[in-house]
Amino acid sequence: AQSVTQPDIHITVSEGASLELRCNYSYGATPYLFWYVQSPGQGLQLLLKYFSGDTLVQGIKGFEAEFKRSQSSFNLRKPSVHWSDAAEYFCAVGADPESGGSYIPTFGRGTSLIVHP
Amino acid sequence: ETGVTQSPTHLIKTRGQQVTLRCSSQSGHNTVSWYQQALGQGPQFIFQYYREEENGRGNFPPRFSGLQFPNYSSELNVNALELDDSALYLCASSRPDRGLDEQYFGPGTRLTVT
Repeated sequence: AQSVTQPDIHITVSEGASLELRCNYSYGATPYLFWYVQSPGQGLQLLLKYFSGDTLVQGIKGFEAEFKRSQSSFNLRKPSVHWSDAAEYFCAVGADPESGGSYIPTFGRGTSLIVHP
Repeated sequence: ETGVTQSPTHLIKTRGQQVTLRCSSQSGHNTVSWYQQALGQGPQFIFQYYREEENGRGNFPPRFSGLQFPNYSSELNVNALELDDSALYLCASSRPDRGLDEQYFGPGTRLTVT
């Protein structure tokens, strides 16, 4: 079974600073990896995904993430944070059932991003 | 805006009662998944419905049940409510041929059990 860990419960950055949110997964074969954002009172919105191919993935709102198999990581980055980026961020992992995983994504507990002016 | 709506927005129930939550999927999406998100946690998969049949279930007891209707709306029913059922309940609609990345989430229903 797949699992995912987001080691940081809260991250505080200043507006304009760079951001990196950590995500580590556990799965034996190639995972499907996702980052979602959840603003207060909103559902989850997909920021980006990795299925295969180029390990550096570009997403919406200026976010990117890099899949590093050797580190079992899929960290989310943004070069310059805006105040509107303050939200809860979730990493999720799914997998091809034919390789023993579940296509249903397993979510991490989330990282709360606080942006200071 | 994802085109997925949920009702009600908030709900307060008493332990032991039953509750029905509703979801209206995006047009053309014949798959709906339900998730429970406890405070400070990520969403946990409850079950999925495809063409009105249950198509996968997470680690939730049978008192969590669902229905999907031909018009792609769906319901989550929870019997014998417990205090730990207090959470945000999310539904997500998708088309099975579009894969995991085409899952659109609704804003959720906040259930409080007292």
